[in-house]
Order: sequence, then structure tokens, then C-alpha cells
Amino acid sequence: DADVTQTPRNRITKTGKRIMLECSQTKGHDRMYWYRQDPGLGLRLIYYSFDVKDINKGEISDGYSVSRQAQAKFSLSLESAIPNQTALYFCATSDWPTAGGGSQYFGPGTRLLVL
Amino acid sequence: ELKVEQNPLFLSMQEGKNYTIYCNYSTTSDRLYWYRQDPGKSLESLFVLLSNGAVKQEGRLMASLDTKARLSTLHITAAVHDLSATYFCAGSNSNSGYALNFGKGTSLLVTP
Repeated sequence: DADVTQTPRNRITKTGKRIMLECSQTKGHDRMYWYRQDPGLGLRLIYYSFDVKDINKGEISDGYSVSRQAQAKFSLSLESAIPNQTALYFCATSDWPTAGGGSQYFGPGTRLLVL
Repeated sequence: ELKVEQNPLFLSMQEGKNYTIYCNYSTTSDRLYWYRQDPGKSLESLFVLLSNGAVKQEGRLMASLDTKARLSTLHITAAVHDLSATYFCAGSNSNSGYALNFGKGTSLLVTP
């Protein structure tokens, strides 16, 4: 079974709709991240969380919110979707950046289309 | 803010040839990462470089880090078609919880 799972894998929605993307991990990591990938732009950080009570905004958090329901679950919400939020969304987890550590493990991605 | 620049962004190379992808970063990065992404797929970790002078090799790929020059390189030796993918470098530091700051990626195509 995959260590980091994302649901749904694909989603089409309409402008103004609220949607939620979910991420679960079985790696036991405290740190979880949401990134967005657009063609030619690489990946950009939306939100990150160190634990259930510690959530932080990333580079492009406007229009998004998150919820860390448990150590293993981190959800991303688009309160009112707009077409320029059409993108590929990745969840990632990592352990603490101790010596040799800190690698991030990525989920399979959610492809979102906002019409 | 840590900014990461890769070049080239697109690379077409013949099988058997060698080439290097460059990754420059703007400020202190605690570590430097290289990832591979196949079309429509997720990111796969290739290397984590922790200190100045670090060199890691896996098959035909070798990554190095020069923290004084704020430069990492990914060297491809005797390329084969299976290496065709997009390669990302990323840095991280404590300012954003060790989240990754990615370059825009290098799209590599290896042709016969």
C-alpha cells in the first residue's frame, strides 16, 4: 500500500464551488505539506503543518484553507474555486530534518480542473 | 526567501552523451534535494545533499553540492532513454519549516 495517499485523484468542479482534497499518510511523520504544480512553474508551497496544532501559510495560501485532523490526515480546501486554481496538487510528508533526514515523500497528486 | 533556479529548462540529448543540469540558490539552504518526475506521475526522491562538497551517485546520475557557490549539479553519464523525465532541484531552510523551494524543473529528453 502507498505510504501517502490522496483523494480524489481527479476532480472537475465549477467556479464558486467548495471542494476538499484529502491526504493520508502511514509513514508516521509529523510534518505534512500541500504543494501546487503548474506547467513551467515547478511546485509552490500552499500550507504546511508540523503537527495537529501547528499550521502555517506558504507562498500561495490565498484562496485555500487546510485542516489537520490527525497526525496522519491533512486536508486542503478551496472555499470558492476559481479557474486559475486549476492545477496538480501534491501532498507530501517528512520526518524531522535530522542528519541525513528531511526527505519529503509525495503522494500521487490530485488533478483539479475548475470550469 | 530562498529562490532556486535551474538551467537549462529543456534539454534534448542523444543516448550515450554526458550532460550537466545546474541548480543555483539564492540564500542559505540547509540541504539540497533532487527529484525526478515522469509525465503524469508523482515526484521521486533521487538525492539529498547535506554539506559542502557532498557527492552522491546512483547509476548514471551524480549530484554534487558547493555551498560556497550556492550551486548544485546533476551530472548525467552516458544517457539512456529511460532517463527521460523532468528533474527538479529544491532547497530548504528553517524559515518555512523545511518546506521545499523548487526550481522550475529541467525537462530532459534522451533520443536515440
